[in-house]
Amino acid sequence: QKEVEQNSGPLSVPEGAIASLNCTYSDRGSQSFFWYRQYSGKSPELIMSIYSNGDKEDGRFTAQLNKASQYVSLLIRDSQPSDSATYLCAACSNTGGFKTIFGAGTRLFVKA
Amino acid sequence: NAGVMQNPRHLVRRRGQEARLRCSPMKGHSHVYWYRQLPEEGLKFMVYLQKENIIDESGMPKERFSAEFPKEGPSILRIQQVVRGDSAAYFCASSRDLGTGSNQPQHFGDGTRLSIL
Repeated sequence: QKEVEQNSGPLSVPEGAIASLNCTYSDRGSQSFFWYRQYSGKSPELIMSIYSNGDKEDGRFTAQLNKASQYVSLLIRDSQPSDSATYLCAACSNTGGFKTIFGAGTRLFVKA
Repeated sequence: NAGVMQNPRHLVRRRGQEARLRCSPMKGHSHVYWYRQLPEEGLKFMVYLQKENIIDESGMPKERFSAEFPKEGPSILRIQQVVRGDSAAYFCASSRDLGTGSNQPQHFGDGTRLSIL
């Protein structure tokens, strides 16, 4: 069973702090990884894609990938109350028809 | 609007009726995915379709649920003889053609909130 695991949270951080969200995946064939943000009552919104080991930065967001450890993370610098949402990690494998597996999400709460 | 379009946004049905949910993918996208989400829960994969083909329906209940993505027109998720437990948000996502190498991310529509009375 291919799985993507995330801590459900809630993760609570003060405004201005770094929020660190973590994700592990079970399928070693996974090659593409995505982070989505979902506000309550809204649809998931793609915020980061990462395909290679290492870090990828986009504004206040940094995605980190370690394929050897099967680990993906998302760092949010200078966290804002507007970052409060559920963050979904997703992994896509070329095996079995390019299926994307989503984690259950981590709820982030940024305190003003 | 070049995004994934879903309609209706809200759908109310009585038990035993049929529900039809529509999804038009983003321009240039030929892959469509349907997900179901209950409040405070994660996305549950239902089905993955390409034009005129069902690629993976492993998440779809065997009875009452069906999906199609015809050559012309939107993808349709059809739920027959709805029951209270079908009440959920149903999200559609689309992606580009998947070539070799990196996989393309999925982009989501705003969802259809289905309520069964």
